[in-house]
Amino acid sequence: DIQMTQSPSSLSASVGDRVTITCRASQTVYKYLNWYQQQPGKAPRLLITVASRLYTGVPSRFSGGGSGTDFTLTISSLQPEDFATYYCQQVYSSPLTFGPGTKVDIK
Amino acid sequence: EAQLVESGGGLVQPGGPLRLSCTASGFSVSKYWMHWVRQVPGKGLEWVSRINRDGSHTDYAAFVQGRFTISKDDASNTMNLQMNYLRAEDTALYYCTRDPCGGECSDYWGQGTLVTVSS
Repeated sequence: DIQMTQSPSSLSASVGDRVTITCRASQTVYKYLNWYQQQPGKAPRLLITVASRLYTGVPSRFSGGGSGTDFTLTISSLQPEDFATYYCQQVYSSPLTFGPGTKVDIK
Repeated sequence: EAQLVESGGGLVQPGGPLRLSCTASGFSVSKYWMHWVRQVPGKGLEWVSRINRDGSHTDYAAFVQGRFTISKDDASNTMNLQMNYLRAEDTALYYCTRDPCGGECSDYWGQGTLVTVSS
């Protein structure tokens, strides 16, 4: 199975900050990498597919990058509704696997 | 708009069976891949299984070890997860999801159904 790691596991930031989360795969997943956001008590929300494609309705302050084994999710200017946990997911090979999550909270 | 509602969760003894259902509205399950994803409260997401559009192809996480079976019922527009030989570590909130990416993403999620495996 492909193992996913994320760093940091948590971070504190302020509204307006630029935030970058890193996701690493144990082997190449090419560009088959999704990002999800989960707010407390809610189901996850799809943000980005194939590493960098913004899903329908997702604000442009979110962006994704990377390929192979190393990926990033960047929020250019953090908004109050962005305080949440973010997960990467590789979909290159089954079983699909999620990263452990990165919690973004208010400084 | 698409909506997914899970049902069938509850308390079950170790070794027992449970059948989860996911009722879809606003779209036909026959036109989409679909997934089950679980989450222990307060912990991360864990992918469980997926099924293709016509139900002819399924995949499972390694921890399933032949105990779970995913299926679809087009007539009732539902997806199911038959879980047998349940273990304490299967305790989690189980989400069903719709996949518009051919097996590779989840755009709509239900609110989940809680499965508790305990004696």
